[in-house]
Amino acid sequence: GENVEQHPSTLSVQEGDSAVIKCTYSDSASNYFPWYKQELGKRPQLIIDIRSNVGEKKDQRIAVTLNKTAKHFSLHITETQPEDSAVYFCAASREGQNFVFGPGTRLSVLP
Amino acid sequence: DAGVIQSPRHEVTEMGQEVTLRCKPISGHNSLFWYRQTMMRGLELLIYFNNNVPIDDSGMPEDRFSAKMPNASFSTLKIQPSEPRDSAVYFCASSPTSTGNTIYFGEGSWLTVV
Repeated sequence: GENVEQHPSTLSVQEGDSAVIKCTYSDSASNYFPWYKQELGKRPQLIIDIRSNVGEKKDQRIAVTLNKTAKHFSLHITETQPEDSAVYFCAASREGQNFVFGPGTRLSVLP
Repeated sequence: DAGVIQSPRHEVTEMGQEVTLRCKPISGHNSLFWYRQTMMRGLELLIYFNNNVPIDDSGMPEDRFSAKMPNASFSTLKIQPSEPRDSAVYFCASSPTSTGNTIYFGEGSWLTVV
């Protein structure tokens, strides 16, 4: 089955700096890669996703890149703000298989 | 749409008691997922249904856990008897299809077993 690893487990950045979180997956057939943000005490919420026919996707300060050959994908947050502080989860999925989530990255944006 | 609706939001129960968590998926979604979240184990998939049929229950910890989906708009997760190690946040989520699509989480049921 699919196995998703995520690094780093914790990340602290200064406000205004960039943050990068990386994930790797094992199943080469996976073709959908979402990222979720979970604030303290809240539910995980989708912030961006990418499909295997696309190499990069951007939405304002957030971007995701996908390298299918290497089986890894990354989340990039630019100009970080205190409200970006949260736990971020990556996931991988393919037809006929449920989502597998990474273990999460706790991002702290320091003022 | 109101989103995925879960109840209760919080429950504190004594060890050995039966616990029933409830979920109403987003209307029109045909896949439903139950996840458990703890600090130690992160987000674990317990079971998921497609068109009300359980597809994968390999994540259900043991026989004390059971899940049902009697119709497209309702699912339950039952723990009997409950144990302190079951304390966690239980999320229900739904998706338009079982794979390749975003899943939407409910607000979670915070369970404490004392």
